[in-house]
Amino acid sequence: DQQVKQNSPSLSVQEGRISILNCDYTNSMFDYFLWYKKYPAEGPTFLISISSIKDKNEDGRFTVFLNKSAKHLSLHIVPSQPGDSAVYFCAASQYNNNDMRFGAGTRLTVKP
Amino acid sequence: DAGITQSPRHKVTETGTPVTLRCHQTENHRYMYWYRQDPGHGLRLIHYSYGVKDTDKGEVSDGYSVSRSKTEDFLLTLESATSSQTSVYFCAVGLAGPNEQFFGPGTRLTVL
Repeated sequence: DQQVKQNSPSLSVQEGRISILNCDYTNSMFDYFLWYKKYPAEGPTFLISISSIKDKNEDGRFTVFLNKSAKHLSLHIVPSQPGDSAVYFCAASQYNNNDMRFGAGTRLTVKP
Repeated sequence: DAGITQSPRHKVTETGTPVTLRCHQTENHRYMYWYRQDPGHGLRLIHYSYGVKDTDKGEVSDGYSVSRSKTEDFLLTLESATSSQTSVYFCAVGLAGPNEQFFGPGTRLTVL
């Protein structure tokens, strides 16, 4: 029962362009959403989060958009840089609930 | 990096043997988690702890037990390892409440 889905296993973009990573969820009780980035042989690192009371959150080059009615969120990276090449995981939970669910990840490749 | 270390970093063992993985943190965080990462599944929560001697099950807890006798250490035990437990195991700590988690470098476990 995968409650968080990332349907694109991979994405390739040119340096300087926008990267858009998508995530869908099925559990309407989720109210807190996070993105993590993972490099090979390292643990995931927290990137950005958003609560369900917002529909957008920005942090530098990274913006997360939340569409609650569609149960969909997306991560925009502008401009994309080669160092952004990594696997990106979407995660969701009820706020202050320890049961966080992750998507399967999307491998982003940014070409110079 | 929230001062998280995991040991061992790599382990190869045989089916039926007991295995213990250790997670150590240096910053006195209350919440600690164990996840496994498998292709196509992202990260799945095995067990978590919300204080010394306080633990609870996650999504995929069967075949695993945990213990937390000190704030800084969270142990994951496979009582009798099976090939299906071949995976990469990540420990995490919760910073701003349990939602924002920071991960250790991972332990790659192979069960032959």
